[in-house]
Amino acid sequence: GQNIDQPTEMTATEGAIVQINCTYQTSGFNGLFWYQQHAGEAPTFLSYNVLDGLEEKGRFSSFLSRSKGYSYLLLKELQMKDSASYLCAVTDSNYQLIWGAGTKLIIKP
Amino acid sequence: KAGVTQTPRYLIKTRGQQVTLSCSPISGHRSVSWYQQTPGQGLQFLFEYFSETQRNKGNFPGRFSGRQFSNSRSEMNVSTLELGDSALYLCASSLGTSGKRETQYFGPGTRLLVL
Repeated sequence: GQNIDQPTEMTATEGAIVQINCTYQTSGFNGLFWYQQHAGEAPTFLSYNVLDGLEEKGRFSSFLSRSKGYSYLLLKELQMKDSASYLCAVTDSNYQLIWGAGTKLIIKP
Repeated sequence: KAGVTQTPRYLIKTRGQQVTLSCSPISGHRSVSWYQQTPGQGLQFLFEYFSETQRNKGNFPGRFSGRQFSNSRSEMNVSTLELGDSALYLCASSLGTSGKRETQYFGPGTRLLVL
């Protein structure tokens, strides 16, 4: 079957750095997405990786290793507004999105 | 450009009833996907519609159905509601280009509570 694993919850301190991991086992791979979802709101697009390596976008970076079936989202200089759930999703060989359960990130002052 | 809109935002129903949820995609987007989100389960894919045709389907019972109109607006129907159907139902739209990766843009969701 197809499976995406993320930690259920993480806690970090304002101003610090946090890394949210995502491992996947899917039938084929055509890219990996990270979305952010604040409580009670819709998920919003953060990043997309299809090639191995690091993609940097401001305070957020996303890394992919296709051979290891692994990605991480790195958040730097954490702000209170970064408290949210972070969803990892993989596009399989049929270009269907497979979603992880999400990681709830709690930022403490 | 207006975002994805969903109506209603909140809904309370009782077991055995049926419900219809509506989604209007971003202008120019032809693909609409529906998801069910429950705490701890993540996003569960229900189905995707493109050009008024169901293009993909998840593993949900036949009580869950949908359709898409010529203007790309989509509706989702759940019949014979069960307590376990209580969830946030999200709609996402994308351009709909087949065979390519696409970013999905989500609506605010409809929160359904079944009593």
